[in-house]
Amino acid sequence: AQTVTQSQPEMSVQEAETVTLSCTYDTSENNYYLFWYKQPPSRQMILVIRQEAYKQQNATENRFSVNFQKAAKSFSLKISDSQLGDTAMYFCAFMKHVNNNDMRFGAGTRLTVKP
Amino acid sequence: SQTIHQWPATLVQPVGSPLSLECTVEGTSNPNLYWYRQAAGRGLQLLFYSVGIGQISSEVPQNLSASRPQDRQFILSSKKLLLSDSGFYLCAWSGGVGYEQYFGPGTRLTVT
Repeated sequence: AQTVTQSQPEMSVQEAETVTLSCTYDTSENNYYLFWYKQPPSRQMILVIRQEAYKQQNATENRFSVNFQKAAKSFSLKISDSQLGDTAMYFCAFMKHVNNNDMRFGAGTRLTVKP
Repeated sequence: SQTIHQWPATLVQPVGSPLSLECTVEGTSNPNLYWYRQAAGRGLQLLFYSVGIGQISSEVPQNLSASRPQDRQFILSSKKLLLSDSGFYLCAWSGGVGYEQYFGPGTRLTVT
């Protein structure tokens, strides 16, 4: 079974600084997808970024980028120029390529951006 | 564009009462649909998913059930709620294999 581990329950960062959230996963699959979701206080789950395992290039979405290390099974999220609106729970998620009905989530990291 | 709706937004129900949470998706056809539960401060647990009308797969044994009477409608039900059913329930949809899931606004259920 696939497991997703987020080892940082809580993190904080000063506004405009950069922060990196960690995620590791365990799988025997070769093809899969990885995601970062954001859940602000409104509780709405919002997709932040997605990475296909077969792509070596790290995904980037504006201020959000990932460091995907397939051999190490690591998928960290870097938030640059942090903004107050980035305050949220961040969940890392894993999905097998052949079965997208089985998305596994980590326990989450609570990020607080301080003014 | 696609949108996903859930209602009610909040619900307080006594133990032993029935439950019906509804989820509808607009702007897409034949989506995969999912029900998740999120306990306070925790990650998401997949409860049910559906790949088509009338097709329901259950991930965990419990006193909840799901139904999909229409292509873009997904209902979560219970005949008798337990205290342990309290939580935040999220509905999600995806476009198929390899596609990410998009979530609704959620329903906060408190069983008293």
